[in-house]
Amino acid sequence: QQQVKQSPQSLIVQKGGISIINCAYENTAFDYFPWYQQFPGKGPALLIAIRPDVSEKKEGRFTISFNKSAKQFSLHIMDSQPGDSATYFCAASYGQNFVFGPGTRLSVLP
Amino acid sequence: GAVVSQHPSWVICKSGTSVKIECRSLDFQATTMFWYRQFPKQSLMLMATSNEGSKATYEQGVEKDKFLINHASLTLSTLTVTSAHPEDSSFYICSASGGKNYGYTFGSGTRLTVV
Repeated sequence: QQQVKQSPQSLIVQKGGISIINCAYENTAFDYFPWYQQFPGKGPALLIAIRPDVSEKKEGRFTISFNKSAKQFSLHIMDSQPGDSATYFCAASYGQNFVFGPGTRLSVLP
Repeated sequence: GAVVSQHPSWVICKSGTSVKIECRSLDFQATTMFWYRQFPKQSLMLMATSNEGSKATYEQGVEKDKFLINHASLTLSTLTVTSAHPEDSSFYICSASGGKNYGYTFGSGTRLTVV
């Protein structure tokens, strides 16, 4: 129940395209769903996060869509750029319980 | 706001020696800090949760006598890898709960190589 599933494992997108990464969870106690971006050799950096009381949150080119009934949430990166190439982790948490998805390696081709 | 500083960013040590990694919350008080280990191309694996002033809670399979965690103040937690062996070589990342980010702010990580 603590597992967070994430897909795809890797993603290749052309510059200017839309990158979509999906996550799913089981535990309905989770109440915070962040996305992290990690570059090689660096720690994860918070990208955007959402609470289950809203269905969508947008910050610049990054949008989280949240489907509470389906227990799924996704990250959309609009107008993807080569600089977006990184590993993206979704996560879910409640209290001190924090679970990462396995990650998606995104490559944006110039 | 919500900056976590981790030091050193990389370290090479000889087998059998101990290495200490520091994790500091610079602009907020972190009552809880977390230590993760990350292998290449894999997700972060939680090793332990430390609360200020109390003993750390280790995840199953993590040797508490090998990975000593101290959280003596609200801004500092340390991870000491004792009697390091080559299989301990990994990327270690801390995170702290608190600050403007509801949730967790991560340090920049420490690349440990044991030779």
